[in-house]
Amino acid sequence: AQRVTQPEKLLSVFKGAPVELKCNYSYSGSPELFWYVQYSRQRLQLLLRHISRESIKGFTADLNKGETSFHLKKPFAQEEDSAMYYCALSGRGTGGSYIPTFGRGTSLIVHP
Amino acid sequence: DAMVIQNPRYQVTQFGKPVTLSCSQTLNHNVMYWYQQKSSQAPKLLFHYYDKDFNNEADTPDNFQSRRPNTSFCFLDIRSPGLGDAAMYLCATSRESGGGHYEQYFGPGTRLTVT
Repeated sequence: AQRVTQPEKLLSVFKGAPVELKCNYSYSGSPELFWYVQYSRQRLQLLLRHISRESIKGFTADLNKGETSFHLKKPFAQEEDSAMYYCALSGRGTGGSYIPTFGRGTSLIVHP
Repeated sequence: DAMVIQNPRYQVTQFGKPVTLSCSQTLNHNVMYWYQQKSSQAPKLLFHYYDKDFNNEADTPDNFQSRRPNTSFCFLDIRSPGLGDAAMYLCATSRESGGGHYEQYFGPGTRLTVT
């Protein structure tokens, strides 16, 4: 079974402070991992995926297979980063197609 | 713009009265998903279509059914809604090939209220 754990329901920081949103996963194979973001009154959208190894809006995430983690980081938080962040894992189900599993989400609030 | 559209955005139904939620996409993606999301919880996958193949999650109640008449449209039917089915229902699409899974594109969701 695949599982995604986001231990923090809420993360509150001040503008300019570093941010780390934690994500741990459980999966027996090679996972595909994603971070999705939902800004207020907007739809859920992709922020980044581990295969791309890119920085989006200053956010990065590194897959650590040893620790089964995929933490999302940003060195200097901005007020516009306030949103709900979901970590997601996509692994092959018994039927052969990819099954996505989401964490419960972390609400990031960046204070001015 | 290519996108995922859900109608209606808000749906109120009575206890036990069948309801259908709809989703359409202009992305021509071969996979479509339905999620249920309750307050402060993770989106929970109900089922998905890989092309025409229907895949039901093991713990999805029998009360929930889905139809995908063509690539663009997918419907969620709740045969006899209970109070516990009140939630946000999210539709998503993705392009999946033998080489891997690509990111999902989400609709805005339909908030279902059961009275």
